[in-house]
Amino acid sequence: GEDVEQSLFLSVREGDSSVINCTYTDSSSTYLYWYKQEPGAGLQLLTYIFSNMDMKQDQRLTVLLNKKDKHLSLRIADTQTGDSAIYFCAERDNAGNMLTFGGGTRLMVKP
Amino acid sequence: DTEVTQTPKHLVMGMTNKKSLKCEQHMGHRAMYWYKQKAKKPPELMFVYSYEKLSINESVPSRFSPECPNSSLLNLHLHALQPEDSALYLCASSQEASLETEAFFGQGTRLTVV
Repeated sequence: GEDVEQSLFLSVREGDSSVINCTYTDSSSTYLYWYKQEPGAGLQLLTYIFSNMDMKQDQRLTVLLNKKDKHLSLRIADTQTGDSAIYFCAERDNAGNMLTFGGGTRLMVKP
Repeated sequence: DTEVTQTPKHLVMGMTNKKSLKCEQHMGHRAMYWYKQKAKKPPELMFVYSYEKLSINESVPSRFSPECPNSSLLNLHLHALQPEDSALYLCASSQEASLETEAFFGQGTRLTVV
């Protein structure tokens, strides 16, 4: 089955860039997603990338996809304290019915 | 309107109670999902409805019973739950249950079984 892995924790200072990494195993993944979850809340879709793209930029967010290495990253520029949350990467399976989530990376932003 | 609305936000129930979780979206999405999320863990898929029909049941115990009365509503009926069922229950929807879509999540119902 598919497997999606992320590092557990990342700490950065306010104003710095954050880079959250994700690896996946399903080479047939077509869409890969980044979700943000604040404490006690649901998941907010931040951005997604189609597998034929290498990069996608959306304001402070940059997604990089290395399909050969099955590596996905999310860069947050000028990280703010409000960015503190858990970030999940996810991939959609072949049939398109299921999202497989990574374990989540807890981002802590220090003032 | 890009919201998925879940009610109630919090629910405490005894092991003999019957309760229902509700989910609503008005984006015209034809696929709706229930996920269960334990603390500090990623969400786990429970059910998928596509065009108001149950298309995936991830071996969920029968004490959880989903229902899709129409294309905008998704319910999760709960009966005889166990304390280990305490979790955040997330509803999501997407335009279609296919590769070309993105899923929007509700804020979740935090369920505590006592």
